Amino acid sequence: DIQMTQSPSSLSASVGDRVTITCQASQDINIYLNWYQRKPGRAPNLLIYDASNLKTGVPSRFSGSGSGTDFTLTISSLQPEDFATYYCLQYENLPLTFGGGTKVEIK
Amino acid sequence: EVQLVESGGGLVQPGGSLRLSCADSGFTFSNYGMNWVRQAPGKGLEWVSYISRGSIAIYYADSVKGRFTISRDNAKNSLYLQMNSVRVEDTAVYFCARGTPPRYCTNGVCPPDDWGQGTLVIVSS
Repeated sequence: DIQMTQSPSSLSASVGDRVTITCQASQDINIYLNWYQRKPGRAPNLLIYDASNLKTGVPSRFSGSGSGTDFTLTISSLQPEDFATYYCLQYENLPLTFGGGTKVEIK
Repeated sequence: EVQLVESGGGLVQPGGSLRLSCADSGFTFSNYGMNWVRQAPGKGLEWVSYISRGSIAIYYADSVKGRFTISRDNAKNSLYLQMNSVRVEDTAVYFCARGTPPRYCTNGVCPPDDWGQGTLVIVSS
């Protein structure tokens, strides 16, 4: 199975901060990586697909980059509604595997 | 608007069975692969199973293989997960998730795109 190592596991940030979350795959996954946002009691929300493509309707402050084994999700200016847990997912190979999650909390 | 509504969760004893359903609307159900994903209390997301548009391709996580069965009824716009021989570690919120459009799929698998709100399954004696 492909292991997805996500870091940090949690971070504290202020509104307006730039936030970066990384995900490392245990083997080359090309660009086959998605980023999801999960808020308590809410359905997960796809933000980025194919490593760097913003899903329609997702604010442009979210961006993704990377290919191969190293990937990054960046929030350029953190907003109050962005406090949530973020997950990466690789779909290059079965089984699909998620990173462990990054909880973004208010400083 | 895409809507996915899970049902069928509840309390079940270890070794028992449960059938989850996902009713879908707002899109042409038969055009999309579908996933089940779960989240145990205090844990992260775990992919459980995938079924292709015409039920030709079906895949499972090793943790549920041989115990869970995914199926779909395109005429009823519905997805199912039959859970047999359940274990305490199957306790989780189970989400159904529509796969991405076919052009964004890889190796015949379409990762989760739109998700339902989830249904809670508790396995306990």
